[in-house]
Amino acid sequence: EPEVTQTPSHQVTQMGQEVILRCVPISNHLYFYWYRQILGQKVEFLVSFYNNEISEKSEIFDDQFSVERPDGSNFTLKIRSTKLEDSAMYFCASSLLAQYFGPGTRLTVL
Amino acid sequence: QKEVEQDPGPLSVPEGAIVSLNCTYSNSAFQYFMWYRQYSRKGPELLMYTYSSGNKEDGRFTAQVDKSSKYISLFIRDSQPSDSATYLCAMILNTNAGKSTFGDGTTLTVKP
Repeated sequence: EPEVTQTPSHQVTQMGQEVILRCVPISNHLYFYWYRQILGQKVEFLVSFYNNEISEKSEIFDDQFSVERPDGSNFTLKIRSTKLEDSAMYFCASSLLAQYFGPGTRLTVL
Repeated sequence: QKEVEQDPGPLSVPEGAIVSLNCTYSNSAFQYFMWYRQYSRKGPELLMYTYSSGNKEDGRFTAQVDKSSKYISLFIRDSQPSDSATYLCAMILNTNAGKSTFGDGTTLTVKP
């Protein structure tokens, strides 16, 4: 069964550093998303992406964040200058109708 | 008021019990409703997806939507220890890149 994959599974970085989280969505899906989940909290929407542009973004998704689909298969989330409060699980999802989530990248900012 | 309210739990049941998980929502514009299962530090796994009022069954799982009451439920029959996880309800306005709005989750433990 097709699935969303994400790399790395765990990323540790120093505050102020840039990180890129990578996702391979399900191949025939058209819509792509990033969500995050701070430990013990609910899953929160960050951004949705369709037809090579952002469809919607949340208040969390400020100028420090960007997304890109650099080729036909990858979908990336970049955080330019990480803060301590960016520590969370980051989930990529893709959809035609229902959204299917990847296993997540655990980002730890020290 | 939160857009999506989920019964907080935690919930602990004996193996074989019927489990009822519930969410209410305030935005009547939500059209599509999902239930996800999430194991600790893993991604949400889609269990059920529905877009109309009524019941939808898949194996031991039944999703129920009542749009007039803005209330959704997930029933698990013959619960198993492997069903022990956090269950998340989620809903979206439309499927065209629409964001999912999640409940806080209900943690279920099924005891052998």
